[in-house]
Amino acid sequence: AQTVTQSQPEMSVQEAETVTLSCTYDTSESDYYLFWYKQPPSRQMILVIRQEAYKQQNATENRFSVNFQKAAKSFSLKISDSQLGDAAMYFCAYRSAWTAGGTSYGKLTFGQGTILTVHP
Amino acid sequence: DAGVIQSPRHEVTEMGQEVTLRCKPISGHDYLFWYRQTMMRGLELLIYFNNNVPIDDSGMPEDRFSAKMPNASFSTLKIQPSEPRDSAVYFCASSFFPNRLTTEAFFGQGTRLTVV
Repeated sequence: AQTVTQSQPEMSVQEAETVTLSCTYDTSESDYYLFWYKQPPSRQMILVIRQEAYKQQNATENRFSVNFQKAAKSFSLKISDSQLGDAAMYFCAYRSAWTAGGTSYGKLTFGQGTILTVHP
Repeated sequence: DAGVIQSPRHEVTEMGQEVTLRCKPISGHDYLFWYRQTMMRGLELLIYFNNNVPIDDSGMPEDRFSAKMPNASFSTLKIQPSEPRDSAVYFCASSFFPNRLTTEAFFGQGTRLTVV
């Protein structure tokens, strides 16, 4: 079974600084997708960034970028120029891709979450 | 599309009562997920469906929990009888079949359940 681990229950950063959130996962699959979701106090789950395992290039979305290390099964999120609006719970997630004979394709598993505080 | 719609947004019930949570996925999506969020356990996958068929219900905590998807546009999660430890936020999410173009799931606003 796939598992996702976020070892940092809480992180904090000063406004305009850079912060990195960690995520590791365990899988025997070769093809899959990885995500970072943001959950602000409103409770809404918002997709921040996605990474396809078959792509070597790290995904970027404006101030958000990832460091994807497939061999190490590591998927960290870097937030540059942090803003007060970035304060939220951040979840790392793993999704199985389709594989012949696979039984868990499409399954979406989340880590425990990291609470990010941004100080003005 | 209005997105994934969950009802009710808040539910307060007494221990022992039956609780039914509802979800309307985004039209055309093949997958539907039910999650439970608590401070202690984070976001747990309870069950997920593909084309209305349950694929994996290993996350359903006990026989008191059941989920159905009678058609492509509606799903329910039922707890009977409810207990105080079931208090949590329950999320429904839906998605297309994951491929190179569409991979992510879209979430509803969640239902905050309080069992007293």
